[in-house]
Amino acid sequence: EDKVVQSPLSLVVHEGDTVTLNCSYEVTNFRSLLWYKQEKKAPTFLFMLTSSGIEKKSGRLSSILDKKELFSILNITATQTGDSAIYLCAVVNTDKLIFGTGTRLQVFP
Amino acid sequence: EAQVTQNPRYLITVTGKKLTVTCSQNMNHEYMSWYRQDPGLGLRQIYYSMNVEVTDKGDVPEGYKVSRKEKRNFPLILESPSPNQTSLYFCASAWGGGGAGELFFGEGSRLTVL
Repeated sequence: EDKVVQSPLSLVVHEGDTVTLNCSYEVTNFRSLLWYKQEKKAPTFLFMLTSSGIEKKSGRLSSILDKKELFSILNITATQTGDSAIYLCAVVNTDKLIFGTGTRLQVFP
Repeated sequence: EAQVTQNPRYLITVTGKKLTVTCSQNMNHEYMSWYRQDPGLGLRQIYYSMNVEVTDKGDVPEGYKVSRKEKRNFPLILESPSPNQTSLYFCASAWGGGGAGELFFGEGSRLTVL
C-alpha cells in the first residue's frame, strides 16, 4: 500500500530557530514529491521535487529529495511567527497525489 | 485572477438530503480532483479527472459521485449524505496529470452532516 509519513507530527519553536521537517514515502510509481503550506485555508504550493540531490530554495525555505532512501526534508531557517502552519508532503504516484498527515509547526515570538 | 472556486464554503445538512458542492477553475487546467481533510488523516483523494468525461476513483470514493461535462467544472455530489462525511473538502486543479506541476486548491468547503 502506498503511504507517505511525515515527522514530527507537531513542532513548537521560538522565532529564529531552524527546523527540519521530514517526509518518507513508499509508492509504486514515483513521479514527484511536493511540499505545501497550509495556514487557515487552502494549501499553497512550496516546492516540487523530481530529482535526487538537487536542492530547491525559496528565501528561508529549502528542500531536497533522496530517491534512494525514499525521503525528503524541508528546512526553514530563522523561523518567523508567519511560518506557523501545517506543512504537507505529497507524493505523486502515476496520476494520484498521496498526502502525508502533515507537520504542525508553531513559532512563538 | 487565476483561481479555483468552490461553493458553498460552509454547509450544515441532515442525513440523506442530497447535496452538490460545485468547483470551477478558470485556468483551463485538464486535471481536477476532490479531497477531504480530516484530523489525523490528512488529505485523502476522493475522485479525480484527467480531462472532460474522464473520471477515476481516488482512495475514498464511497458515498460520492462526480462528473466532468465541461473542462472548467467538477462538481462533487453526495447522493445520501451521512455523518461520516462531515469533513473539510478541497477541490484542486493542475496542468496535465496530478504530478505534472503545481496543484491549485480552492478555499475549501466545510460540510457538517447531522
